[in-house]
Amino acid sequence: DIVMTQSPDSLAVSLGERATINCKSSQSVLYSSNNKNYLAWYQQKPGHPPKLLIYWASSRESGVPDRFSGSGSGTDFTLTINSLQAEDVAVYYCQQYYSNPYTFGQGTKLEIK
Amino acid sequence: EVQLLESGGGLVQPGGSLRLSCTASGFTFSNNAMNWVRQAPGKGLEWVSGISASGDKTHYADSVKGRFTISRDNSKNTLYLQMNSLRAEDTAIFYCAKDKGISGQNPYFDYWGQGTLVTVSS
Repeated sequence: DIVMTQSPDSLAVSLGERATINCKSSQSVLYSSNNKNYLAWYQQKPGHPPKLLIYWASSRESGVPDRFSGSGSGTDFTLTINSLQAEDVAVYYCQQYYSNPYTFGQGTKLEIK
Repeated sequence: EVQLLESGGGLVQPGGSLRLSCTASGFTFSNNAMNWVRQAPGKGLEWVSGISASGDKTHYADSVKGRFTISRDNSKNTLYLQMNSLRAEDTAIFYCAKDKGISGQNPYFDYWGQGTLVTVSS
């Protein structure tokens, strides 16, 4: 199984500042035949289901604000939230969909400082 | 508007069975693979099972293989999860999740239901 490890487990960022969340996979999720990274990011607010933010490591889902961006390749990935807003308080998860079982990171809790 | 509505959760004794349902609307159900993802209370997300758009291919996590069966009825726009031999560690919110793809391989999830709580306890 591919193990997804996020860092940090939690972070507090001031409004208007940048938040950075990292995700590392235990093996590469880059498929060489199409040069795509099989990595998605989700946001989950308390009492709600997860919401897809980013797929293919850097493609933003329709309707997601452009302050959210994804980067990285192979085994190391980053979710960046620019100009943090109060409504961004949530737990963020990465997920690999390269191979079964399709595993998630443990989550990173983002709070306002 | 895409909507996914789960039902069928509840309290069941260890060793018991439950069948979850997920009724879909707002998109062409038969064009998309579907999945179940669960979340134990206060914990992270765990993919459980997936099924292709036509229903001919299914996938399971090792933790549920042989105990859970995923199926779908495209004429009723409904996804199912038959859960047998339930264990305390199966206690979780079960989410129905739509795959952006068709095949069910390499799924990522663009729409989620609100979830249904399954509690396994004596």
